[in-house]
Amino acid sequence: DVVMTQTPVSLSLAIGQPASISCKSSQSLLGTSGKTFLNWILQRPGQSPKRLIYQVSKLYSEVPDRFSGSGSETEFTLKISRVEAEDLGVYYCWQGTHFPLTFGSGTKLEIK
Amino acid sequence: EVQLVESGGGLVQPGRSLKLSCVASGFTFSNYGMNWIRQAPGKGLEWVAYISSGSSYIYYAETVKGRFTISRDNAKNTLYLQMTSLRSEDTALYYCARVDAWGQGASVTVSS
Repeated sequence: DVVMTQTPVSLSLAIGQPASISCKSSQSLLGTSGKTFLNWILQRPGQSPKRLIYQVSKLYSEVPDRFSGSGSETEFTLKISRVEAEDLGVYYCWQGTHFPLTFGSGTKLEIK
Repeated sequence: EVQLVESGGGLVQPGRSLKLSCVASGFTFSNYGMNWIRQAPGKGLEWVAYISSGSSYIYYAETVKGRFTISRDNAKNTLYLQMTSLRSEDTALYYCARVDAWGQGASVTVSS
């Protein structure tokens, strides 16, 4: 199984500060299609997860452009250029290239 | 608007069975592969099972293989998860999920 390692476990940031979350996979997520199925989701307190980014760096239409994703093969990063209050919650990376699908353990973002 | 609405959760004794349903709306259900993903209380996300759009491809997590069965009825826009031989470690919120959309979850508690 592909192990997804997320760091840090938690972040405590003031509004307006940048955020960076790392996600590393135990094997390459580059699929035979030439696409890399690395996704990011946000789970706000008491809510179900919501989509943020797919295929490493593609933002869903409703996601603010202060979010960005980058990386390749086994190392990926989610960045928030300026944290806002609504960004609090737990961020998960997950891979859809190999079955079983696997998730990172999550990064909890708290607002100072 | 894409909507996924789970039902069928509840309290069940160890060793018993339960069947979850997920009704999809707002998109052409028969065009999409679907997943069940679960989250134990206070824990992260664990993928459970996947079924392709036409049911040709089905995959399970090792933790549920042989006990759970994923299925779908495209005429009814409904995804199912038949769970048998339930264990206490199956206690979780079960999400019906497309790659880019999640339901609100169905709570399953396995306890005597």
